[in-house]
Amino acid sequence: AQKVTQAQTEISVVEKEDVTLDCVYETRDTTYYLFWYKQPPSGELVFLIRRNSFDEQNEISGRYSWNFQKSTSSFNFTITASQVVDSAVYFCALSGDSGAGSYQLTFGKGTKLSVIP
Amino acid sequence: NAGVTQTPKFRILKIGQSMTLQCTQDMNHNYMYWYRQDPGMGLKLIYYSVGAGITDKGEVPNGYNVSRSTTEDFPLRLELAAPSQTSVYFCASSYSGQGSQYFGPGTRLLVL
Repeated sequence: AQKVTQAQTEISVVEKEDVTLDCVYETRDTTYYLFWYKQPPSGELVFLIRRNSFDEQNEISGRYSWNFQKSTSSFNFTITASQVVDSAVYFCALSGDSGAGSYQLTFGKGTKLSVIP
Repeated sequence: NAGVTQTPKFRILKIGQSMTLQCTQDMNHNYMYWYRQDPGMGLKLIYYSVGAGITDKGEVPNGYNVSRSTTEDFPLRLELAAPSQTSVYFCASSYSGQGSQYFGPGTRLLVL
């Protein structure tokens, strides 16, 4: 069975601080995909990134960066110089390559980030 | 290009009533999904579809039904609403099974 753990339930930072959101996953699949989604207070889910299990290169997109480490089964998300607009719930998710796992995302419970001005 | 749209945005149901949550996507995606999100939790898959005429159960299908007669539409039916079905429902679509899923704005359902 697949599992995604986001141990940080809530994080508060002051604006312009850097913050890292942790994500640890469990899967028996050799091919799998990892995702991060953002859910702002308005409630919609915004896709941020998709990474496959064979690509361990870190990725940077503006103030966002992602650190994928297969050795520790982690896919952490860092926001640099946080802004108030970053306040949201962030979900890490996993999709496996097995017959059942291919078509569903297993979500973590989310980390609520509050950026204080 | 509207992406994934859902109606209604909010609905109150009485116990035992039925309703259909509508979902439409205009991205020509074959894969579509229904999730529910309970407070403080991640999303859980209710049903999914890999193409018109093909549907399958997800993690929490009890109390729900789906159909997929067209590529664009994937309605979710609640036959006998129960308080346990109070939740926010999200529809999503993707190009492939492992592809990025794009979500609709959600439907907030309250069963009293």
